[in-house]
Amino acid sequence: AQSVAQPEDQVNVAEGNPLTVKCTYSVSGNPYLFWYVQYPNRGLQFLLKYITGDNLVKGSYGFEAEFNKSQTSFHLKKPSALVSDSALYFCAVRDARPSSNDYKLSFGAGTTVTVRA
Amino acid sequence: DVKVTQSSRYLVKRTGEKVFLECVQDMDHENMFWYRQDPGLGLRLIYFSYDVKMKEKGDIPEGYSVSREKKERFSLILESASTNQTSMYLCASILGGTSGRVNTQYFGPGTRLTVL
Repeated sequence: AQSVAQPEDQVNVAEGNPLTVKCTYSVSGNPYLFWYVQYPNRGLQFLLKYITGDNLVKGSYGFEAEFNKSQTSFHLKKPSALVSDSALYFCAVRDARPSSNDYKLSFGAGTTVTVRA
Repeated sequence: DVKVTQSSRYLVKRTGEKVFLECVQDMDHENMFWYRQDPGLGLRLIYFSYDVKMKEKGDIPEGYSVSREKKERFSLILESASTNQTSMYLCASILGGTSGRVNTQYFGPGTRLTVL
C-alpha cells in the first residue's frame, strides 16, 4: 500500500519569504515522488519529481524539494515566494517496484498556499 | 508539449441522467486515468486503462464505468448520476515506462460536474 500525508491544509506566507509545503509518504519499497500545482479552475501541472540520486530536486518556477528517506518526507520549498505562487499543491507517491499497476499515483489531500503582498 | 483535453469544463446534469465525460490525449500515451477531486480528499482514482479496451478499477469505481475504444480517447460514464457524484473530474495520461525511465502523468483541465 502507498499513501501520502500533507499535514497542513493551508500555508500562508508573505511575498519574498521562504515557502515550505510539507509532505510525508508511505510505500512498501522505494518511492517515486511528485509535486503538482493546481491554479483555480485548472488541471494539475507537474512541478518536479524525485526518482533516485541527488536528494535535492529542482523543478519549475523556482521550486525545489528535498527527499529525506529517514524521515520519509519530500517537502516542497521556494526561497522567495511570489503572490502568483498562490495555488493548491499536491504531493504524490508511487512505489518504485515494477508491477502491473506501476503507474498508479497516490495523492495527498492538498495544501492551499496563499502568498500575501 | 503533451496535451490532454476534456470535453467540457462545466457540466450540470439531473439526478438519474446518463453522463459522458470525454478525455483525449495527443501524445500516443498507453495509460490513461480518471480521478475525482474533492476538497480535503485530494485526488482519488476511479478507473485507469493501460491499453485500448483494457481497464482496471481504481479506488472508487462504484457508480462509474469507462470506455477505451481508441488509444487517444478515454471516456468516463456515469450510468445514473447522483448528487454525491458532484465533483471535479480530472483525466490524466502517461507514456508507458521503458527501462530506467519514470514518466510523468499529465492532466487535463478538469470537468466540474454538478448533479442536481
